[in-house]
Amino acid sequence: EAQVTQNPRYLITVTGKKLTVTCSQNMNHEYMSWYRQDPGLGLRQIYYSMNVEVTDKGDVPEGYKVSRKEKRNFPLILESPSPNQTSLYFCATNRDRGDSPLHFGNGTRLTVT
Amino acid sequence: QKEVEQDPGPLSVPEGAIVSLNCTYSNSAFQYFMWYRQYSRKGPELLMYTYSSGNKEDGRFTAQVDKSSKYISLFIRDSQPSDSATYLCAMSKNAGNMLTFGGGTRLMVKP
Repeated sequence: EAQVTQNPRYLITVTGKKLTVTCSQNMNHEYMSWYRQDPGLGLRQIYYSMNVEVTDKGDVPEGYKVSRKEKRNFPLILESPSPNQTSLYFCATNRDRGDSPLHFGNGTRLTVT
Repeated sequence: QKEVEQDPGPLSVPEGAIVSLNCTYSNSAFQYFMWYRQYSRKGPELLMYTYSSGNKEDGRFTAQVDKSSKYISLFIRDSQPSDSATYLCAMSKNAGNMLTFGGGTRLMVKP
């Protein structure tokens, strides 16, 4: 079954404590990306990756880091989380830059106190 | 002003009603238009995908794009309780994954 798996699903942490949200896909897709979803703002892209070792900033990259050492994994790193990063995070993949649809994971709800 | 505007709802309709969901946008460079459906505690899933102006139909769903008015719509015929979800419009300038999303409209279809 085609899957995008995010972990953890829920995370509560404190300001400044580094954390990593993992994302793994089994579809052999080239493109992976991270979004955050906030009420009234929809989904906003944080970072995306076109292939292994190729990453680029999306619309709201400040405070986040990513890495793409393997095709299937695309972790999101918050080096020093702040309360304004409290949000619902989604990892997504798609096959290529054509009209292939985005496949989303089920989300990680992060609360930073 | 946001690039893509979408009425947040919630929109509550009785089962069997025709539902109209809409988005307006400001950037005339957008060419690819999508509708995603998001159930509670799930990631969005692609519902409809259209390129440029025109209509596209898939079962009970019809997507309409009017580029001259910068306005897109999703119609749901014979709505079902299982259609209750948040509907997100999304658009991009080029085919690919650089999407701009609307804020989403929450739809509730009551039996």
